[in-house]
Amino acid sequence: GAGVSQSPRYKVAKRGQDVALRCDPISGHVSLFWYQQALGQGPEFLTYFQNEAQLDKSGLPSDRFFAERPEGSVSTLKIQRTQQEDSAVYLCASSKRVDTQYFGPGTRLTVL
Amino acid sequence: GQQLNQSPQSMFIQEGEDVSMNCTSSSIFNTWLWYKQDPGEGPVLLIALYKAGELTSNGRLTAQFGITRKDSFLNISASIPSDVGIYFCAAVNAGGTSYGKLTFGQGTILTVHP
Repeated sequence: GAGVSQSPRYKVAKRGQDVALRCDPISGHVSLFWYQQALGQGPEFLTYFQNEAQLDKSGLPSDRFFAERPEGSVSTLKIQRTQQEDSAVYLCASSKRVDTQYFGPGTRLTVL
Repeated sequence: GQQLNQSPQSMFIQEGEDVSMNCTSSSIFNTWLWYKQDPGEGPVLLIALYKAGELTSNGRLTAQFGITRKDSFLNISASIPSDVGIYFCAAVNAGGTSYGKLTFGQGTILTVHP
């Protein structure tokens, strides 16, 4: 497709469940970012991939969060044992240039 | 946590009015960006600024990169109903070994009354 796609668009999980969020970046984009956006806030950086290498995961809030991009294209953000504070929109962005990131529509995660 | 302070938090204006919002930082950045986010969508880039003092326009939008490299403002002239949305400033230190991790402000919610 032409843009960044994410799935699912909406996810409701019971506390303690594991979830997996998928990002399909724009074809040919080397860089891929995950951001977390709490309600009423701006996005906050979670992690960064250059091709398949995860070069920065300093923004991941806990060891329950794990991201991968095994073949340098599609990426998955996994959250284990979800908690209510994990409820947020998770945005994926890809780019060729450091200053031009294209964002997907996000996955809205609600943890009950 | 976030390092950019964006104001105002929200604005209610009449169609045709001009709008101004700004963003400040305690740190220096070499690139400032302004995004718009519509409900249920990801942020979309409006304007990018690369040099201190730079003034850039995109249609009815004008943005400036502050001389100190610690601030930026966005103006929207002659607002129309489709300008409704949340506007975010973002900043990054691009170039060199940087990979472009964006820092965002808290957003300005813009409502335009017809």
